[in-house]
Amino acid sequence: ILNVEQSPQSLHVQEGDSTNFTCSFPSSNFYALHWYRWETAKSPEALFVMTLNGDEKKKGRISATLNTKEGYSYLYIKGSQPEDSATYLCAFKWAGANNLFFGTGTRLTVIP
Amino acid sequence: EPEVTQTPSHQVTQMGQEVILRCVPISNHLYFYWYRQILGQKVEFLVSFYNNEISEKSEIFDDQFSVERPDGSNFTLKIRSTKLEDSAMYFCASSGGEGTYGYTFGSGTRLTVV
Repeated sequence: ILNVEQSPQSLHVQEGDSTNFTCSFPSSNFYALHWYRWETAKSPEALFVMTLNGDEKKKGRISATLNTKEGYSYLYIKGSQPEDSATYLCAFKWAGANNLFFGTGTRLTVIP
Repeated sequence: EPEVTQTPSHQVTQMGQEVILRCVPISNHLYFYWYRQILGQKVEFLVSFYNNEISEKSEIFDDQFSVERPDGSNFTLKIRSTKLEDSAMYFCASSGGEGTYGYTFGSGTRLTVV
């Protein structure tokens, strides 16, 4: 089983603050790194799929970076809003399998 | 926006009973998956399905589990004889391609085995 770790496990920020969290994954046999946003009682929603070392992707106020050599990805949220409150999951795909290995998620709460 | 639909949203079953969890993936997707999350743990892979057959399965997916795509739209997960430890949220997902495509997940079926 491949180990994918996310930190912190949970985070509370004030509305308007910017924040970031980390996903670490094995650096060998890398294929892709996924980020999902999962609101309570809804389905996980794909944010980004990243494949190249040094990739940076952006969607509105959310962006992500990827370092495949050292095995980490950061997710950034600029100017957090209450609607950003959710669990953010990263998932690693390695070259030898057609399935994703998920981290435990970072639970973000944005306080109005 | 296209959705993956799962039914039922919640199922309670007696230990030893068979359950079938149903999913309708996105119609033009080619890859289908089942994942589960036991309360407090990571989301775990069960099985992937492509071209009408299982392409990969995890250690969890033993002889008690099976999947079918009987009519080209539904994608079902059957657990033949449920155990207490099968209690989890089961997610179906589909994607248009392998790994570099994001998955579209359903909202899950919460299975409780009593």
